[in-house]
Amino acid sequence: DQQVKQNSPSLSVQEGRISILNCDYTNSMFDYFLWYKKYPAEGPTFLISISSIKDKNEDGRFTVFLNKSAKHLSLHIVPSQPGDSAVYFCAASELAGSYQLTFGKGTKLSVIP
Amino acid sequence: DSGVTQTPKHLITATGQRVTLRCSPRSGDLSVYWYQQSLDQGLQFLIQYYNGEERAKGNILERFSAQQFPDLHSELNLSSLELGDSALYFCASSALAGVTTDTQYFGPGTRLTVL
Repeated sequence: DQQVKQNSPSLSVQEGRISILNCDYTNSMFDYFLWYKKYPAEGPTFLISISSIKDKNEDGRFTVFLNKSAKHLSLHIVPSQPGDSAVYFCAASELAGSYQLTFGKGTKLSVIP
Repeated sequence: DSGVTQTPKHLITATGQRVTLRCSPRSGDLSVYWYQQSLDQGLQFLIQYYNGEERAKGNILERFSAQQFPDLHSELNLSSLELGDSALYFCASSALAGVTTDTQYFGPGTRLTVL
């Protein structure tokens, strides 16, 4: 049973345009969410996070939106750059003492120059 | 470079064998986490250690075990290997335990192939 779902295995976007990566979760106990980026032959790298008390968090070109009622979050990258081409993983955890991250299967983003 | 090192990078072995994967956390980090990524799957949490003690257990098989040593490096032992154990194994580290907002930094992974 997948508790964190990324339904789009891949996404192609033109350089300079917006990339929107989506993530859905089923476990209502999740209240902390993260995005990780992964390049080939490297481990995942933390990108941005959001707790359930907020509905938006920005860091430069990256913004994460959280819709708790829909159990949905999205990562917006504006403007997209070729160096953003990577696999993006959505992850979730419970703030109340659980240490494990539950990951989605990832979305491969290709930014076309 | 995350500062987390994992050895070996690649490991090829046969079914029924036993292997040991090694992880050195970032300097100063006390928590170590192990994750498994099988083909087309997300990362699955296996186990967490904090300062030498087991803190959390996920979907770790009984054939798998781990430990964290006094110098804080960790080893993941996989025994009676099966074809389905072929995967990428990632180690991550963080400074604290019990603080879920503490960022986990991942190593480059060990690719295990069981033939």
